[in-house]
Amino acid sequence: DQQVKQNSPSLSVQEGRISILNCDYTNSMFDYFLWYKKYPAEGPTFLISISSIKDKNEDGRFTVFLNKSAKHLSLHIVPSQPGDSAVYFCAGNAGGTSYGKLTFGQGTILTVHP
Amino acid sequence: DSGVTQTPKHLITATGQRVTLRCSPRSGDLSVYWYQQSLDQGLQFLIQYYNGEERAKGNILERFSAQQFPDLHSELNLSSLELGDSALYFCASSVGDSHEQYFGPGTRLTVT
Repeated sequence: DQQVKQNSPSLSVQEGRISILNCDYTNSMFDYFLWYKKYPAEGPTFLISISSIKDKNEDGRFTVFLNKSAKHLSLHIVPSQPGDSAVYFCAGNAGGTSYGKLTFGQGTILTVHP
Repeated sequence: DSGVTQTPKHLITATGQRVTLRCSPRSGDLSVYWYQQSLDQGLQFLIQYYNGEERAKGNILERFSAQQFPDLHSELNLSSLELGDSALYFCASSVGDSHEQYFGPGTRLTVT
């Protein structure tokens, strides 16, 4: 049962343009969502998060949008830079007795071309 | 550098064997998490410890066990290893039950 799905295995974008990474979830108990970035041979790095009571959160070039009715979230990167090339994971947390448990999607490989 | 350390970086062992993976959390973090990343499964939550006590459990196999010691470092024990246990094992830490977890570089386990 894949509760978090990232349907695009990869995305290729030109430097300076917008990157949009998408994520769908099925668990309606999730009340917090996060995006992590992962470079090869490193662990995932926290990027940005959003609570289910919000529909948008912005941090510099990164913005996460949440559409609860559609159970969909997206990460926008503007402008994209070659250093953004990495694997991006979205994750959900259900709070309560799930405590810190994160449920991750399969990841999307972002390639930003100079 | 996240401040989370994991040893060893690589481990190659045979089926049926037992191994121990070690994790030291960031200074001040009380929670430690273990995740498994295999090729076909993505990042899967295994278990969380908070200040020495088990806090949350995922789909962790009975052959796997973990503990968190008084100095807050944690160990993940994998026994009766099978080929399918080959994966990257990540440890993460956070102050409490924080969603913002800091991941170590991982231990790559290869079972032959």
